[in-house]
Amino acid sequence: NAGVMQNPRHLVRRRGQEARLRCSPMKGHSHVYWYRQLPEEGLKFMVYLQKENIIDESGMPKERFSAEFPKEGPSILRIQQVVRGDSAAYFCASSSRTGRDQPQHFGDGTRLSIL
Amino acid sequence: KNEVEQSPQNLTAQEGEFITINCSYSVGISALHWLQQHPGGGIVSLFMLSSGKKKHGRLIATINIQEKHSSLHITASHPRDSAVYICAASGGGADGLTFGKGTHLIIQP
Repeated sequence: NAGVMQNPRHLVRRRGQEARLRCSPMKGHSHVYWYRQLPEEGLKFMVYLQKENIIDESGMPKERFSAEFPKEGPSILRIQQVVRGDSAAYFCASSSRTGRDQPQHFGDGTRLSIL
Repeated sequence: KNEVEQSPQNLTAQEGEFITINCSYSVGISALHWLQQHPGGGIVSLFMLSSGKKKHGRLIATINIQEKHSSLHITASHPRDSAVYICAASGGGADGLTFGKGTHLIIQP
């Protein structure tokens, strides 16, 4: 029973390029959360999605960042025109049901480095 | 907006010592989560609790809802327990988790 799968594990991009981070939730989970961990800082909530819907994107930067969770396939976090400040670890978590008292299962993260 | 505070920020102890990490939060929550992160590694969920106490192996988590405080204890600590321990709150007006800054724990042999 596979856990939350994130890929790639490491991603290197040059300034101005696009970064696409993928997250496949645990089997049977339809709720996905994205979090960002900046160097030497704590984790911060970015966005919460259910299948085909963005429920809460209050933690997403207003520009260049977008997320989707299509009916088929993984959730995608997309960063356009990356800048050095986007270098961070991006974690995805999934849960099986809605509700703020549900356990979240985390992936191993994608470490994004911007040259 | 919920604020989650952890202490201590760093903790070094000898193998076998009893470890306590504290977490406090500012508003009512649905649940309190304790997570473990090894350097360069992923995040593992250790506990989710909304009341009382939970135990798993050498790890014990407690929460006091009235005082908005939780503790994570490690008994008979071992070098493999060395990691960052993070508390996180769910609820409190937010859909995602609100995290503390983490406690860097080093257990020396």
